[in-house]
Amino acid sequence: GAVVSQHPSWVICKSGTSVKIECRSLDFQATTMFWYRQFPKQSLMLMATSNEGSKATYEQGVEKDKFLINHASLTLSTLTVTSAHPEDSSFYICSALTSGRYQETQYFGPGTRLLVL
Amino acid sequence: QQQVKQSPQSLIVQKGGISIINCAYENTAFDYFPWYQQFPGKGPALLIAIRPDVSEKKEGRFTISFNKSAKQFSLHIMDSQPGDSATYFCAATRNFGNEKLTFGTGTRLTIIP
Repeated sequence: GAVVSQHPSWVICKSGTSVKIECRSLDFQATTMFWYRQFPKQSLMLMATSNEGSKATYEQGVEKDKFLINHASLTLSTLTVTSAHPEDSSFYICSALTSGRYQETQYFGPGTRLLVL
Repeated sequence: QQQVKQSPQSLIVQKGGISIINCAYENTAFDYFPWYQQFPGKGPALLIAIRPDVSEKKEGRFTISFNKSAKQFSLHIMDSQPGDSATYFCAATRNFGNEKLTFGTGTRLTIIP
C-alpha cells in the first residue's frame, strides 16, 4: 500500500517552454502533498506544500509564479514549471501524506528528471 | 532551530558489518523521526521511523536508537549487505508527521564485499 506515482519520469524540453509533472496517490487519498527538488548528491529541498482545494504554501525563495502547483483532487497534484530555463533542470519529487495508526507518514513518488536545453 | 545535522557524509562498511548513521536536531517540538533510503534516480523510500516516547525501534536488520535528552538519533544496519548501498536521509517533523519534513544532509553508504 501507500504507492505514489509520478508522470513523466523523464522530460526534456526547450528553454522557454512549460512542463507539467503529475503526482498521484494510487491507493489512498491525500489531502496534503509536498513537492521537492533535489540536485545531484544533495538532500531534498522542499519547494511547496499542496493542500487539496486550496492554494499551495511555498517555501521562502521559491517563485510561486514559476512553479505552479494545483491540487484539484485527493489523489492528484500537479507541478507546472513555467518558462523553463536550464537552471530549472533538476530531479523533482513529490510526496503524499497518509494517516497511520499513530502518525502521519509521507510516501514519496519515484521522481521526475527534468532537463531544460 | 529547524536543522537536522547528519553524519557521516559517506560511509564504507564491509559486508556483514554494522553501519551506523547519526543525526542530531535542535527543535524540541519535533515528535516524529523517519529514516528514508534512496537509490540513484529513485525517490526516497520510508525505511523505519520512531517517536520520542521510545528509545529504540527495531525492524529486521534496521534499528533506530533515540536519545531524547541529547536530541540525537541514529540508524544501525546490522549484517550490512551490498544491496544496502544507497543514500540514507534522516528526517524530523512535528505534529506526529502532519507537517513538513526537515531532512538531514544524507549519508552515502557503500557496502563492500
